[in-house]
Amino acid sequence: DAMVIQNPRYQVTQFGKPVTLSCSQTLNHNVMYWYQQKSSQAPKLLFHYYDKDFNNEADTPDNFQSRRPNTSFCFLDIRSPGLGDAAMYLCATSSRTGSSYNEQFFGPGTRLTVL
Amino acid sequence: LAKTTQPISMDSYEGQEVNITCSHNNIATNDYITWYQQFPSQGPRFIIQGYKTKVTNEVASLFIPADRKSSTLSLPRVSLSDTAVYYCLVVPDTGRRALTFGSGTRLQVQP
Repeated sequence: DAMVIQNPRYQVTQFGKPVTLSCSQTLNHNVMYWYQQKSSQAPKLLFHYYDKDFNNEADTPDNFQSRRPNTSFCFLDIRSPGLGDAAMYLCATSSRTGSSYNEQFFGPGTRLTVL
Repeated sequence: LAKTTQPISMDSYEGQEVNITCSHNNIATNDYITWYQQFPSQGPRFIIQGYKTKVTNEVASLFIPADRKSSTLSLPRVSLSDTAVYYCLVVPDTGRRALTFGSGTRLQVQP
């Protein structure tokens, strides 16, 4: 089945130690997104790629970076995780039909713990 | 982007119909109304989308009045497995490609 895969599902890191979360998709969608979701809150968009075009949200901290080496893969790098970065990180994809963007498909998320 | 307002939580019992209303007073002409469902420890899942009047699929119905300033998600005969958070979003037809989630409605279905 076509899907969005996130690895690992659970990640533990130490305060200040860089960490990379990965996302892959078999849907061949040209748009990929990263959301941050803290406990009991709604998902918050960090940034997204339309093909290779990177779009950063204005309030996304510089501590968060992303890479998309090809259509299938997208990475979230947290350069110096703080305690406040502990959250669920969700990857999503969508496709484009004409000038419209279709529904988003979300992965299961990676839960990040910062010690 | 149009701001959405929906109840923080709702309770229901198995077999009942649940209606969750969302208000979006400043919806724009080319905006669609979209609903996502999220179970604990999972990513959100698309449920239904509409522009006006009524849309129905195998999961839910979406009712949108003529002025489009509100919408109602209707879940027929809920079961325990429908316990989740339901998000109402207003999404432009073109332009911005990302979703802005509101606070959502936490639905608890009791046996």
